[in-house]
Amino acid sequence: AQSVTQLDSQVPVFEEAPVELRCNYSSSVSVYLFWYVQYPNQGLQLLLKYLSGSTLVKGINGFEAEFNKSQTSFHLRKPSVHISDTAEYFCAVIRKGGSQGNLIFGKGTKLSVKP
Amino acid sequence: GAVVSQHPSWVICKSGTSVKIECRSLDFQATTMFWYRQFPKQSLMLMATSNEGSKATYEQGVEKDKFLINHASLTLSTLTVTSAHPEDSSFYICSARGNSGANVLTFGAGSRLTVL
Repeated sequence: AQSVTQLDSQVPVFEEAPVELRCNYSSSVSVYLFWYVQYPNQGLQLLLKYLSGSTLVKGINGFEAEFNKSQTSFHLRKPSVHISDTAEYFCAVIRKGGSQGNLIFGKGTKLSVKP
Repeated sequence: GAVVSQHPSWVICKSGTSVKIECRSLDFQATTMFWYRQFPKQSLMLMATSNEGSKATYEQGVEKDKFLINHASLTLSTLTVTSAHPEDSSFYICSARGNSGANVLTFGAGSRLTVL
């Protein structure tokens, strides 16, 4: 079975500061990794994904994440955040070959960007 | 890109009534859609997998008689919460595989159900 841990439930940060949202996963098999963003009262929007290849993945809105197999991590980063980045961010994994519906989500990290 | 639409976006109902939530793939066909439930400050939990033309597959602990799923066409799946109670109040989200690549799901905007 797979599991996802997002260590920080809330991350407050000032506008234009860098941010890192942490994600660690546990799995006995190879996985695909995802970051989703959820704005208030909205569904999830895919930020970026790691399927294979380069471990540094660039996504939308200036976000990037790095897959570290030895540390089983997939931390999300942005060098300079905006007020509009305020949202909840979910890390998710799915085992390779698994049913697409069986995405395992972390509990989410609420990013609050302050002026 | 792939778009998944959910309707209604929010609904308030009285205890004991039934509520239907629709999930539509607007620009692609989806033989499989997924239904999730999200409690406040919690992550999404998969409830069931909706298969076009066949019965839905429910996750362990999800009451199939309470959460009726119908996938009548390649672009529409419905979730009906029957005899709703206040504890059914939640945010329900559907997803489907779009055309943006393997293992990438497109999510609807969600439907917030409040049962009084």
